[in-house]
Amino acid sequence: DTAVSQTPKYLVTQMGNDKSIKCEQNLGHDTMYWYKQDSKKFLKIMFSYNNKELIINETVPNRFSPKSPDKAHLNLHINSLELGDSAVYFCASSQLTSGVTYNEQFFGPGTRLTVL
Amino acid sequence: AQSVAQPEDQVNVAEGNPLTVKCTYSVSGNPYLFWYVQYPNRGLQFLLKYITGDNLVKGSYGFEAEFNKSQTSFHLKKPSALVSDSALYFCAVRERSNYQLIWGAGTKLIIKP
Repeated sequence: DTAVSQTPKYLVTQMGNDKSIKCEQNLGHDTMYWYKQDSKKFLKIMFSYNNKELIINETVPNRFSPKSPDKAHLNLHINSLELGDSAVYFCASSQLTSGVTYNEQFFGPGTRLTVL
Repeated sequence: AQSVAQPEDQVNVAEGNPLTVKCTYSVSGNPYLFWYVQYPNRGLQFLLKYITGDNLVKGSYGFEAEFNKSQTSFHLKKPSALVSDSALYFCAVRERSNYQLIWGAGTKLIIKP
């Protein structure tokens, strides 16, 4: 059973296009995250939702918009793609019930986005 | 400012030898501390965490980490390295009242046969 899944695994697209990445978790967690990992493997948090409420909203271009239709899903939509958006995007989930912040995060396999 | 430092970009160890991957942090209070591992072309996997109590924490795949409050360090260790331990290792820290993890830059561990 896949705990955190992402689709697609690979995404190759042209500059200026709009694309979406989907994430689903079947762990029953209440919090989900989007990370960007660049070519140097630096990991940067982008967004986080807790019970469908945005709790982390880092400084990212407003071309990036997360959407959480329910606790088990967090999608990432990217408008007007740029060359610099090329990276691996990871979805993760964890449980933050009652403000407990020591639970680990579970990561999806990643989506490798290449913008040409 | 909150930060996590992994001072070594790469660590090379011969198989069978002990390994240490270093992590120091600058976070207020008594943070929670984590280690994650990333194998090539895979997502990150949780290895271990320190919440409170005993300074030596044991985790997956025979790894352990030692919390040192005075040195604000949380070094990852393993007594005997395996070639299959070769991967990218990330240290992460969270203030107890904060949702956000602060991540280190990662250390590439290479175990040579």
